[in-house]
Amino acid sequence: RKEVEQDPGPFNVPEGATVAFNCTYSNSASQSFFWYRQDCRKEPKLLMSVYSSGNEDGRFTAQLNRASQYISLLIRDSKLSDSATYLCVVNGGGATNKLIFGTGTLLAVQP
Amino acid sequence: NAGVTQTPKFQVLKTGQSMTLQCAQDMNHNSMYWYRQDPGMGLRLIYYSASEGTTDKGEVPNGYNVSRLNKREFSLRLESAAPSQTSVYFCASSDIPRVQETQYFGPGTRLLVL
Repeated sequence: RKEVEQDPGPFNVPEGATVAFNCTYSNSASQSFFWYRQDCRKEPKLLMSVYSSGNEDGRFTAQLNRASQYISLLIRDSKLSDSATYLCVVNGGGATNKLIFGTGTLLAVQP
Repeated sequence: NAGVTQTPKFQVLKTGQSMTLQCAQDMNHNSMYWYRQDPGMGLRLIYYSASEGTTDKGEVPNGYNVSRLNKREFSLRLESAAPSQTSVYFCASSDIPRVQETQYFGPGTRLLVL
Protein backbone atom coordinates (compact mmCIF):
# COMPACT_ATOMS: atom_id res chain seq x y z
CA ARG A 1 0.00 0.00 0.00
CA LYS A 2 1.32 3.46 -0.90
CA GLU A 3 1.91 5.78 2.03
CA VAL A 4 -0.15 8.52 0.38
CA GLU A 5 -2.82 7.59 -2.13
CA GLN A 6 -4.70 9.85 -4.49
CA ASP A 7 -7.01 9.35 -7.44
CA PRO A 8 -4.80 10.27 -10.42
CA GLY A 9 -7.71 11.62 -12.43
CA PRO A 10 -7.87 13.40 -14.76
CA PHE A 11 -10.79 15.42 -13.49
CA ASN A 12 -12.29 17.31 -16.42
CA VAL A 13 -14.68 19.98 -15.17
CA PRO A 14 -16.31 23.08 -16.72
CA GLU A 15 -15.48 26.54 -15.51
CA GLY A 16 -17.50 27.43 -12.44
CA ALA A 17 -17.82 23.85 -11.24
CA THR A 18 -17.03 22.63 -7.76
CA VAL A 19 -14.54 19.78 -7.60
CA ALA A 20 -13.26 17.71 -4.68
CA PHE A 21 -10.06 15.71 -4.35
CA ASN A 22 -9.48 13.06 -1.76
CA CYS A 23 -6.36 11.56 -0.30
CA THR A 24 -5.61 8.84 2.25
CA TYR A 25 -2.40 8.30 4.19
CA SER A 26 -1.15 5.23 6.00
CA ASN A 27 1.14 6.55 8.74
CA SER A 28 -0.91 7.42 11.80
CA ALA A 29 2.16 9.24 13.22
CA SER A 30 2.00 11.90 10.50
CA GLN A 31 1.59 15.33 12.01
CA SER A 32 1.54 17.78 9.13
CA PHE A 33 -0.53 17.80 5.99
CA PHE A 34 -0.40 19.93 2.88
CA TRP A 35 -1.78 20.40 -0.58
CA TYR A 36 0.78 21.42 -3.19
CA ARG A 37 0.01 22.52 -6.72
CA GLN A 38 2.23 21.58 -9.66
CA ASP A 39 1.82 23.11 -13.09
CA CYS A 40 3.01 21.18 -16.12
CA ARG A 41 6.81 20.91 -16.15
CA LYS A 42 7.13 23.23 -13.15
CA GLU A 43 8.08 22.79 -9.54
CA PRO A 44 5.54 22.01 -6.79
CA LYS A 45 4.32 25.03 -4.84
CA LEU A 46 2.47 25.07 -1.56
CA LEU A 47 -1.25 25.65 -2.02
CA MET A 48 -2.28 25.34 1.61
CA SER A 49 -1.60 23.55 4.84
CA VAL A 50 -4.35 21.35 6.24
CA TYR A 51 -5.46 21.64 9.86
CA SER A 52 -7.68 19.38 11.93
CA SER A 53 -10.29 22.09 12.26
CA GLY A 54 -10.45 22.55 8.51
CA ASN A 55 -9.28 25.69 6.77
CA GLU A 56 -10.34 27.86 3.90
CA ASP A 57 -8.42 30.14 1.56
CA GLY A 58 -10.70 31.90 -0.86
CA ARG A 59 -12.22 29.28 -3.16
CA PHE A 60 -10.18 26.48 -1.62
CA THR A 61 -11.19 24.46 1.45
CA ALA A 62 -9.10 21.72 3.02
CA GLN A 63 -10.27 19.17 5.54
CA LEU A 64 -8.46 16.58 7.64
CA ASN A 65 -9.97 13.54 9.31
CA ARG A 66 -7.29 11.98 11.52
CA ALA A 67 -9.47 9.07 12.60
CA SER A 68 -9.98 7.97 9.00
CA GLN A 69 -6.53 9.23 7.87
CA TYR A 70 -8.19 11.15 5.10
CA ILE A 71 -7.53 14.58 3.60
CA SER A 72 -9.68 16.49 1.15
CA LEU A 73 -9.46 19.59 -1.01
CA LEU A 74 -12.53 21.38 -2.33
CA ILE A 75 -12.26 23.94 -5.12
CA ARG A 76 -15.30 26.11 -5.71
CA ASP A 77 -16.06 28.16 -8.82
CA SER A 78 -13.24 26.56 -10.83
CA LYS A 79 -11.16 28.81 -13.07
CA LEU A 80 -9.16 27.88 -16.15
CA SER A 81 -6.08 28.86 -14.17
CA ASP A 82 -6.82 26.12 -11.62
CA SER A 83 -5.79 23.51 -14.19
CA ALA A 84 -2.80 21.73 -12.66
CA THR A 85 -1.81 18.63 -10.73
CA TYR A 86 -2.68 18.72 -7.02
CA LEU A 87 -0.33 16.85 -4.73
CA CYS A 88 -1.38 15.53 -1.35
CA VAL A 89 1.60 15.69 1.00
CA VAL A 90 2.06 14.41 4.54
CA ASN A 91 4.90 14.49 7.00
CA GLY A 92 6.48 11.05 7.33
CA GLY A 93 6.29 11.02 11.09
CA GLY A 94 9.12 11.55 13.52
CA ALA A 95 11.01 14.71 14.31
CA THR A 96 12.40 15.60 10.91
CA ASN A 97 10.52 17.29 8.09
CA LYS A 98 10.55 14.42 5.61
CA LEU A 99 7.57 14.80 3.36
CA ILE A 100 5.76 11.98 1.61
CA PHE A 101 4.13 12.96 -1.67
CA GLY A 102 1.14 11.46 -3.35
CA THR A 103 1.33 10.94 -7.09
CA GLY A 104 -1.07 13.80 -7.68
CA THR A 105 -4.51 14.39 -9.15
CA LEU A 106 -4.71 16.11 -12.52
CA LEU A 107 -7.39 18.78 -12.89
CA ALA A 108 -8.36 20.16 -16.28
CA VAL A 109 -10.86 23.02 -16.20
CA GLN A 110 -12.62 23.42 -19.53
CA PRO A 111 -13.99 26.70 -20.93
CA ASN B 1 15.11 36.95 -3.74
CA ALA B 2 15.65 34.19 -6.27
CA GLY B 3 14.46 31.51 -3.80
CA VAL B 4 15.85 28.11 -4.79
CA THR B 5 17.91 27.90 -7.97
CA GLN B 6 19.14 24.79 -9.76
CA THR B 7 21.65 24.21 -12.53
CA PRO B 8 21.61 22.87 -15.14
CA LYS B 9 17.99 22.95 -16.33
CA PHE B 10 18.52 20.11 -18.79
CA GLN B 11 21.22 17.50 -19.22
CA VAL B 12 21.79 14.49 -21.42
CA LEU B 13 24.32 11.92 -20.25
CA LYS B 14 25.60 8.65 -21.55
CA THR B 15 25.55 5.61 -19.30
CA GLY B 16 28.57 5.66 -17.02
CA GLN B 17 29.18 9.40 -17.18
CA SER B 18 29.21 11.46 -14.02
CA MET B 19 27.73 14.84 -13.24
CA THR B 20 26.85 17.14 -10.37
CA LEU B 21 23.53 18.91 -9.99
CA GLN B 22 23.84 22.22 -8.21
CA CYS B 23 21.31 23.81 -5.88
CA ALA B 24 21.43 27.08 -3.99
CA GLN B 25 18.94 28.96 -1.82
CA ASP B 26 19.00 32.57 -0.67
CA MET B 27 16.34 32.31 2.05
CA ASN B 28 18.80 31.50 4.85
CA HIS B 29 17.13 28.13 5.31
CA ASN B 30 18.78 25.47 7.40
CA SER B 31 17.40 22.36 5.71
CA MET B 32 17.77 21.28 2.11
CA TYR B 33 16.47 18.28 0.16
CA TRP B 34 16.91 16.46 -3.11
CA TYR B 35 13.95 14.69 -4.74
CA ARG B 36 13.38 12.86 -7.98
CA GLN B 37 10.03 12.78 -9.77
CA ASP B 38 9.08 9.96 -12.12
CA PRO B 39 5.75 9.37 -13.88
CA GLY B 40 3.29 7.56 -11.63
CA MET B 41 5.71 7.60 -8.67
CA GLY B 42 5.36 11.01 -7.12
CA LEU B 43 8.32 12.84 -5.65
CA ARG B 44 10.73 10.63 -3.75
CA LEU B 45 13.37 11.87 -1.35
CA ILE B 46 16.94 11.01 -2.34
CA TYR B 47 18.98 12.79 0.37
CA TYR B 48 18.43 15.61 2.77
CA SER B 49 20.49 17.90 4.94
CA ALA B 50 18.76 18.96 8.14
CA SER B 51 21.43 21.56 8.83
CA GLU B 52 24.82 22.66 7.55
CA GLY B 53 27.34 19.87 8.06
CA THR B 54 24.84 17.02 8.15
CA THR B 55 23.40 14.80 5.43
CA ASP B 56 21.12 11.78 5.59
CA LYS B 57 19.71 9.24 3.20
CA GLY B 58 16.17 9.44 2.03
CA GLU B 59 13.99 6.85 0.35
CA VAL B 60 16.09 6.27 -2.81
CA PRO B 61 19.77 7.14 -2.15
CA ASN B 62 21.48 4.40 -4.18
CA GLY B 63 23.62 5.74 -7.01
CA TYR B 64 23.83 9.26 -5.56
CA ASN B 65 26.06 11.26 -3.27
CA VAL B 66 25.51 14.72 -1.82
CA SER B 67 27.55 17.56 -0.41
CA ARG B 68 26.28 20.36 1.77
CA LEU B 69 28.91 22.84 0.71
CA ASN B 70 27.71 25.61 3.01
CA LYS B 71 24.38 26.85 4.31
CA ARG B 72 23.30 28.04 0.87
CA GLU B 73 24.40 25.18 -1.38
CA PHE B 74 23.54 21.48 -1.59
CA SER B 75 24.82 19.45 -4.54
CA LEU B 76 23.81 16.04 -5.84
CA ARG B 77 26.34 13.87 -7.65
CA LEU B 78 25.78 10.93 -9.96
CA GLU B 79 29.09 9.06 -10.10
CA SER B 80 28.14 6.63 -12.86
CA ALA B 81 24.85 7.49 -14.48
CA ALA B 82 22.39 4.75 -15.39
CA PRO B 83 19.24 4.92 -17.57
CA SER B 84 17.18 4.30 -14.40
CA GLN B 85 18.33 7.71 -13.19
CA THR B 86 16.50 9.45 -16.03
CA SER B 87 14.15 11.70 -14.12
CA VAL B 88 13.32 15.23 -13.07
CA TYR B 89 15.33 16.29 -10.03
CA PHE B 90 14.05 18.92 -7.61
CA CYS B 91 15.93 20.61 -4.84
CA ALA B 92 13.99 22.09 -1.93
CA SER B 93 14.68 23.98 1.26
CA SER B 94 12.91 24.74 4.51
CA ASP B 95 13.68 26.98 7.44
CA ILE B 96 14.30 24.42 10.15
CA PRO B 97 13.48 20.73 10.16
CA ARG B 98 10.25 21.12 12.06
CA VAL B 99 7.38 19.04 10.93
CA GLN B 100 5.19 22.03 10.15
CA GLU B 101 7.66 23.78 7.91
CA THR B 102 6.81 24.35 4.26
CA GLN B 103 9.37 23.27 1.70
CA TYR B 104 10.20 25.55 -1.20
CA PHE B 105 11.24 23.97 -4.47
CA GLY B 106 13.64 24.92 -7.23
CA PRO B 107 12.60 24.79 -10.91
CA GLY B 108 14.07 21.31 -11.45
CA THR B 109 16.72 19.64 -13.59
CA ARG B 110 15.56 17.34 -16.37
CA LEU B 111 18.08 14.54 -16.81
CA LEU B 112 18.12 11.99 -19.61
CA VAL B 113 20.59 9.10 -19.39
CA LEU B 114 21.09 7.22 -22.63
